[in-house]
Amino acid sequence: AQSVTQPDIHITVSEGASLELRCNYSYGATPYLFWYVQSPGQGLQLLLKYFSGDTLVQGIKGFEAEFKRSQSSFNLRKPSVHWSDAAEYFCAVARLFGGYNKLIFGAGTRLAVHP
Amino acid sequence: DTGVSQDPRHKITKRGQNVTFRCDPISEHNRLYWYRQTLGQGPEFLTYFQNEAQLEKSRLLSDRFSAERPKGSFSTLEIQRTEQGDSAMYLCASSTADRHSSTEQYFGPGTRLTVT
Repeated sequence: AQSVTQPDIHITVSEGASLELRCNYSYGATPYLFWYVQSPGQGLQLLLKYFSGDTLVQGIKGFEAEFKRSQSSFNLRKPSVHWSDAAEYFCAVARLFGGYNKLIFGAGTRLAVHP
Repeated sequence: DTGVSQDPRHKITKRGQNVTFRCDPISEHNRLYWYRQTLGQGPEFLTYFQNEAQLEKSRLLSDRFSAERPKGSFSTLEIQRTEQGDSAMYLCASSTADRHSSTEQYFGPGTRLTVT
């Protein structure tokens, strides 16, 4: 069965430090991969997505992610974190089933940023 | 604002009562999804509509849950005889039907349900 694992439940970084959030997936074919961010009380905002091609994808707010097929990973990175990046981050895989795409999410990583 | 909207944003109800939530998708999107998110977890798929047709229901959607999208525009999610375990954030998302762009789902702000 398809699944997404985010090994880190909670991460704390200092403002200005670099960030890497881990995501591992289990999927039988080439996946569609996503990172979403959720601020408190808000819905989900898409940061970036990978369908095919270049394995390093750029997203909004200075985020990037790298697809590594050999490691079944899609880790999210940012070179310098801002206090406003404090939020919960979800990795998701799209399963193409019956002509549409159902998102399967990881449990999320909550990011705290120290000033 | 042309994003996905949901109403109400918060709902507190007593166990056993019925509740109904509404979702208005982005106007040109023909696909609509409902997800449920419990505390400390990622969203879980509940059901999916293409236009007015409900094409898939998760096993999470018990017979107390019913969703409709009568004219292929807005959708409602009703929960009958609510239980404390129904307390969660209910998220709606919409997308287009293009093979690739359909995988990009746009989410609403959610309806937070608390069953007391």
